[in-house]
Amino acid sequence: GENVEQHPSTLSVQEGDSAVIKCTYSDSASNYFPWYKQELGKGPQLIIDIRSNVGEKKDQRIAVTLNKTAKHFSLHITETQPEDSAVYFCAATPPYNFNKFYFGSGTKLNVKP
Amino acid sequence: EPEVTQTPSHQVTQMGQEVILRCVPISNHLYFYWYRQILGQKVEFLVSFYNNEISEKSEIFDDQFSVERPDGSNFTLKIRSTKLEDSAMYFCASSSGVANQETQYFGPGTRLLVL
Repeated sequence: GENVEQHPSTLSVQEGDSAVIKCTYSDSASNYFPWYKQELGKGPQLIIDIRSNVGEKKDQRIAVTLNKTAKHFSLHITETQPEDSAVYFCAATPPYNFNKFYFGSGTKLNVKP
Repeated sequence: EPEVTQTPSHQVTQMGQEVILRCVPISNHLYFYWYRQILGQKVEFLVSFYNNEISEKSEIFDDQFSVERPDGSNFTLKIRSTKLEDSAMYFCASSSGVANQETQYFGPGTRLLVL
């Protein structure tokens, strides 16, 4: 099955700086890669996703890049704000098992004011 | 905006007792899921459910677990005889089932504590 690795486990940045979180996946067939944000005591909320036919996707301060050859994808948050502080999870899913998400281990992002 | 809801938000139970966690998926969604998150660890897939049957389950989902869609709106996870290691946050999720719309929407979770 798919295996997703995520780094770093914790990330501390100054407000206004950029944050980058990286994930690698093992199954080259995986074609859908969502990113979730989990605030304390809440469920994961989708913030952005990307499909394997696209190399980059952007939504305001958030962007995701995908390198299919290297089997890694990254979340980029620019101009970070204190409310970006949360745990971020990446996930991957292959087309032959699209209803099963394989999650990374999570990155705790702390944005210092 | 439609959302997945879960009840209860917290559940404390004694080891060996049965618990039922409830979820109301987004109304027009066809796929339903349960995930587990032990404190400080990654979100782990338990089971997916479609067309009134389990479509996939993980090795965690043993005979102590069962899922049911008792009516047109609820989706439940039953743990028959809880163990200490079942203590975790349990998330329900749903997805539309439409091609190229794999996005799963998660509920707020039920925190289960087994004493």
